[in-house]
Amino acid sequence: QSVLTQPPSVSGAPGQRVTISCTGSSSNIGAGYDVHWYQQLPGTVPKLLIYGNSNRPSGVPDRFSGSKSGTSVSLAITGLQAEDEADYYCQSYDSTLSGYVFGTGTKVTVL
Amino acid sequence: QLQLQESGPGLVKPSETLSLTCTVSDGSISSSSHYWGWIRQPPGKGLEWIGSIYYVGNTYYNPSLKSRVTISVDTSKNQFSLKVNSVTAADTAVYFCARQFRWRGGSFYVYIDQWGQGTLVTVSS
Repeated sequence: QSVLTQPPSVSGAPGQRVTISCTGSSSNIGAGYDVHWYQQLPGTVPKLLIYGNSNRPSGVPDRFSGSKSGTSVSLAITGLQAEDEADYYCQSYDSTLSGYVFGTGTKVTVL
Repeated sequence: QLQLQESGPGLVKPSETLSLTCTVSDGSISSSSHYWGWIRQPPGKGLEWIGSIYYVGNTYYNPSLKSRVTISVDTSKNQFSLKVNSVTAADTAVYFCARQFRWRGGSFYVYIDQWGQGTLVTVSS
């Protein structure tokens, strides 16, 4: 059972904007630990999408953006494309568990 | 481009020990900027961090698995390994090895910047 909660699924039409929330607590996101996001396309290995709450690695389109507010963070995808259909996971550090934690995961469906 | 490759049995019997090795190529495991970790993903489910190791041997484990897990490093072979004792069907998963970058120093601000391809381990008699 993960300490980082994400909605199981979100969907949108091509071109739309969707957001994925990742809600934690005072022992992880609220404690100031960074959140990172990974994209896992069907049948593939996860790929780093956002690090340090809002930074994009080179090669990641600027359609993907991350933000943080209090004990939750969000990943936004603007101009949704069919190729964005994937599972998305947030990840942080938890001081109570003294370890790294992943979110529950969100499946993005492009309608 | 650094690569990671998992190796080990794809089938393990219940109550036995799961053993996997990750070989790092085109890069050094003796990096002060990285941890080396194991993550697993049961079929159709989410990601679970198992544990991580620093090249000098410092280890960090998921509390829920700590009593059954050992991670070790062999810098001479550029490899790190995972052992999970007393496995059950619940340990059936794709196991990934990964490189974790310490982007702000310390062990708290770490993200995975490179993944192995993953290997499916099935626990069954």
